[in-house]
Amino acid sequence: KNQVEQSPQSLIILEGKNCTLQCNYTVSPFSNLRWYKQDTGRGPVSLTIMTFSENTKSNGRYTATLDADTKQSSLHITASQLSDSASYICVVSAEGTYKYIFGTGTRLKVLA
Amino acid sequence: KAGVTQTPRYLIKTRGQQVTLSCSPISGHRSVSWYQQTPGQGLQFLFEYFSETQRNKGNFPGRFSGRQFSNSRSEMNVSTLELGDSALYLCASSPGEQSNTEAFFGQGTRLTVV
Repeated sequence: KNQVEQSPQSLIILEGKNCTLQCNYTVSPFSNLRWYKQDTGRGPVSLTIMTFSENTKSNGRYTATLDADTKQSSLHITASQLSDSASYICVVSAEGTYKYIFGTGTRLKVLA
Repeated sequence: KAGVTQTPRYLIKTRGQQVTLSCSPISGHRSVSWYQQTPGQGLQFLFEYFSETQRNKGNFPGRFSGRQFSNSRSEMNVSTLELGDSALYLCASSPGEQSNTEAFFGQGTRLTVV
């Protein structure tokens, strides 16, 4: 069964600290993996998208990694800011389909 | 360039009624996909349309249907509403030729069924 699991479910950190969010998937055959940021009450906004051949991709203070062998991805946030408080969602799609499997997200709270 | 526009933003309906939600994709995008987001289930894929054809469908009952027009605008319809249909409904648009292209989400329609 195609599944995407994220951990932790929620996380609280102090402003300026780094953090890493995890995503494990069982989607096969793999096509691509995306990380989205979703502020409360708004639509998700794309942070990164990675295909099978990519193992690192950065977008400002956000760096995503992908290990296609272990089917794991991580999103590292550097020098967190209050505006990073949001839900971070990992999404995986299977090759040959246009169907996206969503993780349940990690809710991040950055405190001053 | 205008983003993805969803209307209405908020909607309150009673059980048994039907509802139609609208999504206007980014200009030039031919793919529109729909999602349901609830606190308990997270984001779940409903269906995806490309060039007026449903290209993929999630695991939702037949009460959920959609269509896409020649200008790529899409509508989603839910008939015989149930309390459990209360959710944020999101649509996303992409160029659509390949599955690994960027998808851009709208702000969503918050549906409350009472």
